[in-house]
Amino acid sequence: DAGVIQSPRHEVTEMGQEVTLRCKPISGHDYLFWYRQTMMRGLELLIYFNNNVPIDDSGMPEDRFSAKMPNASFSTLKIQPSEPRDSAVYFCATQRGYEQYFGPGTRLTVT
Amino acid sequence: GENVEQHPSTLSVQEGDSAVIKCTYSDSASNYFPWYKQELGKRPQLIIDIRSNVGEKKDQRIAVTLNKTAKHFSLHITETQPEDSAVYFCAATPGRRALTFGSGTRLQVQP
Repeated sequence: DAGVIQSPRHEVTEMGQEVTLRCKPISGHDYLFWYRQTMMRGLELLIYFNNNVPIDDSGMPEDRFSAKMPNASFSTLKIQPSEPRDSAVYFCATQRGYEQYFGPGTRLTVT
Repeated sequence: GENVEQHPSTLSVQEGDSAVIKCTYSDSASNYFPWYKQELGKRPQLIIDIRSNVGEKKDQRIAVTLNKTAKHFSLHITETQPEDSAVYFCAATPGRRALTFGSGTRLQVQP
């Protein structure tokens, strides 16, 4: 199994641009989580899905952030418009049973 | 909701010594307690976990203990090696849902 796949691995964009981060979960995993990690705020849960249905999006910072999971094999996190304070590493993680596995992350820099 | 406190925030030990990281949680319904290791620039990786029906679990040089009455759990690393240097996160969850992470402990093993 290839593990959780995220793309792109690095993204540099200008303020105001739309950013789309992608995640392919491990096959058979029924939970998918999006996290953001910064030095200041640590690991923050943004949103999570169970069987493609959003369960809790209370961690989404504001309306500029949106996430979708159109099927069991794919999820996106979109930021529109992006701002410099969105610069962080964004992790996707998936789970079946209790164990949660992280993808390699996307390092986003907004200038 | 769940709240997880982790101490210390930084820990420096000599190679060969033991390291102990402690976490407390607030939700008595929490029943799953994983520990993640994150090396610089890498993803968090699950290294060991424990469920509430077990008091202690060992895997080679690492062990985790759980005290449900006091609502705290600890990670013990024996015979530390330079490659143990990383940030360690504890987490807790009351079932198959989102993890609540501690703030992390930066462990440095001095050769």
